Amino acid sequence: NAGVTQTPKFQVLKTGQSMTLQCAQDMNHEYMSWYRQDPGMGLRLIHYSVGAGITDQGEVPNGYNVSRSTTEDFPLRLLSAAPSQTSVYFCASRPDSYSNQPQHFGDGTRLSIL
Amino acid sequence: AQKITQTQPGMFVQEKEAVTLDCTYDTSDQSYGLFWYKQPSSGEMIFLIYQGSYDEQNATEGRYSLNFQKARKSANLVISASQLGDSAMYFCAMRDGGGFKTIFGAGTRLFVKA
Repeated sequence: NAGVTQTPKFQVLKTGQSMTLQCAQDMNHEYMSWYRQDPGMGLRLIHYSVGAGITDQGEVPNGYNVSRSTTEDFPLRLLSAAPSQTSVYFCASRPDSYSNQPQHFGDGTRLSIL
Repeated sequence: AQKITQTQPGMFVQEKEAVTLDCTYDTSDQSYGLFWYKQPSSGEMIFLIYQGSYDEQNATEGRYSLNFQKARKSANLVISASQLGDSAMYFCAMRDGGGFKTIFGAGTRLFVKA
């Protein structure tokens, strides 16, 4: 059982380039989310989805787009990368919005914007 | 607005001793959930323990217990009999009443000394 799979694990971009971070889960979870982790700031919620076709903004959505066409996949798009988006990105999922179950996290994508 | 505060950026504990990591939260929701996660140097997020706002007893999971004081809005993590492998970053997190957003504190880095 793979759980939550993020690709790529590492990426270096130039300012202004676009990029899609992939996230897939095989647990049939309805709820998925994206976080960024910066030193000293913990994890901050970027976007989340409560099911296929439904997405909403988190704490820091600016500069990021998401879509949820299937239950399994929740890609995060950077349309025009900026150095401020250098961070470690985590995708997470849990069974549904109301579950008391914890989120399952992917291993993260380390992204550097030059 | 919801907020999680972890006031201890770093802590040291002697191996085999107990340690308490502090977490306070702010929310206007009556129903919410509190989580603790561990992040070792390898970077993955590991779920430790969960406490629901309506749970009357403090949660326990092996060597981990959550000291939940609802009136004081605190949810401290207690690790008993610390081990060298407990050295890691620890995050407190809160899920809102609707289940849509989980926010994280800035984290506490724990160092266990032999």
